[in-house]
Amino acid sequence: GNSVTQMEGPVTLSEEAFLTINCTYTATGYPSLFWYVQYPGEGLQLLLKATKADDKGSNKGFEATYRKETTSFHLEKGSVQVSDSAVYFCALNSGGYQKVTFGIGTKLQVIP
Amino acid sequence: EAGVTQFPSHSVIEKGQTVTLRCDPISGHDNLYWYRRVMGKEIKFLLHFVKESKQDESGMPNNRFLAERTGGTYSTLKVQPAELEDSGVYFCASSPRGYANTGELFFGEGSRLTVL
Repeated sequence: GNSVTQMEGPVTLSEEAFLTINCTYTATGYPSLFWYVQYPGEGLQLLLKATKADDKGSNKGFEATYRKETTSFHLEKGSVQVSDSAVYFCALNSGGYQKVTFGIGTKLQVIP
Repeated sequence: EAGVTQFPSHSVIEKGQTVTLRCDPISGHDNLYWYRRVMGKEIKFLLHFVKESKQDESGMPNNRFLAERTGGTYSTLKVQPAELEDSGVYFCASSPRGYANTGELFFGEGSRLTVL
């Protein structure tokens, strides 16, 4: 079956530091890949996505590239802000009416 | 436009009691999903409605869980009787018709269930 593996964290960074959150996956077929983010007191929201190999998803300064050869979709940001403090979930979907499969979530805390 | 709303935000019950969680999806969204996150674990799929029909309920843990979506609008998830391992955060998500194969979901804030 499908699965997503990501670092559990928590990850604590100083403001303006570089962020990488690793994500690898196992899936049948050619899944679409996602990063969802949950800010404190809010529901999950889609941060970015990529639907095929070598696609790069980007939003709010975050980027992730769909790497089929390494089955990875690592999330990066060059300079984090305090407002980026949240839980980040890597996820995949195999299309059709397939359920979305989530990773465990990585809590990020950015300190001033 | 109102987002996905869930009620209650937090429920604390004794083992053996019954709890009903409610989800109001974004107006007009045909697809409605329930997910659950047990502490320290992944967010796990429970089931998927398309309008009032259950499209996929393969993630429902056992027959103590009952989900309904009468009229294809709001949905309820009842746990009866509740057990300790049912504790967690129950997320509802919705999406418009045609989005079911995209993986893009609009989530509510979740209902935290604590079973003592």
